[in-house]
Amino acid sequence: DVKVTQSSRYLVKRTGEKVFLECVQDMDHENMFWYRQDPGLGLRLIYFSYDVKMKEKGDIPEGYSVSREKKERFSLILESASTNQTSMYLCASSPLQEGHGYTFGSGTRLTVV
Amino acid sequence: SQQGEEDPQALSIQEGENATMNCSYKTSINNLQWYRQNSGRGLVHLILIRSNEREKHSGRLRVTLDTSKKSSSLLITASRAADTASYFCATLGSSNTGKLIFGQGTTLQVKP
Repeated sequence: DVKVTQSSRYLVKRTGEKVFLECVQDMDHENMFWYRQDPGLGLRLIYFSYDVKMKEKGDIPEGYSVSREKKERFSLILESASTNQTSMYLCASSPLQEGHGYTFGSGTRLTVV
Repeated sequence: SQQGEEDPQALSIQEGENATMNCSYKTSINNLQWYRQNSGRGLVHLILIRSNEREKHSGRLRVTLDTSKKSSSLLITASRAADTASYFCATLGSSNTGKLIFGQGTTLQVKP
């Protein structure tokens, strides 16, 4: 069964900590995405990548960075966590070809205290 | 930037009834997709309809697309309690960057 795996379901971090959220897919997909989901705001795109070592800013990249050293892994980094980054983080992947939906991970609920 | 808007925001129906959710978007699209999310989990892809298609079926799901009105609808027939979830539409722009823009979703409750 193909899947996108996010390393943690729940995470609690302190303000100012550097936080790494890991995402791994086993479908050989070129595209990978990080979204955050907040009540009333829906899903907002943080960063995406269409190839190894490539990255593009989404709608809300401030306070975040990403790393894609291998095709299957896309990491989201919170350089200095703040309370307003408390959210549900969703990773997704898709093939390069048009006509396919995204496959999502189960999400990481991050709380910054 | 949020592309789509779903209507209604919340819907409550009895098991066996049909559920209809609507989505409007603003710019030209390559395709439109519908996703389902169970509480606190990731999204699951349900169905994709291309901009040159008007209707598509998958099991109990029926999706329509009206590009002149920039709107789509998702119909779930003979709903079940297990259909209780949030449903999101998402659009892929005609520039086909691979980025999906999601609406804010419709929360569906199906009462047994």
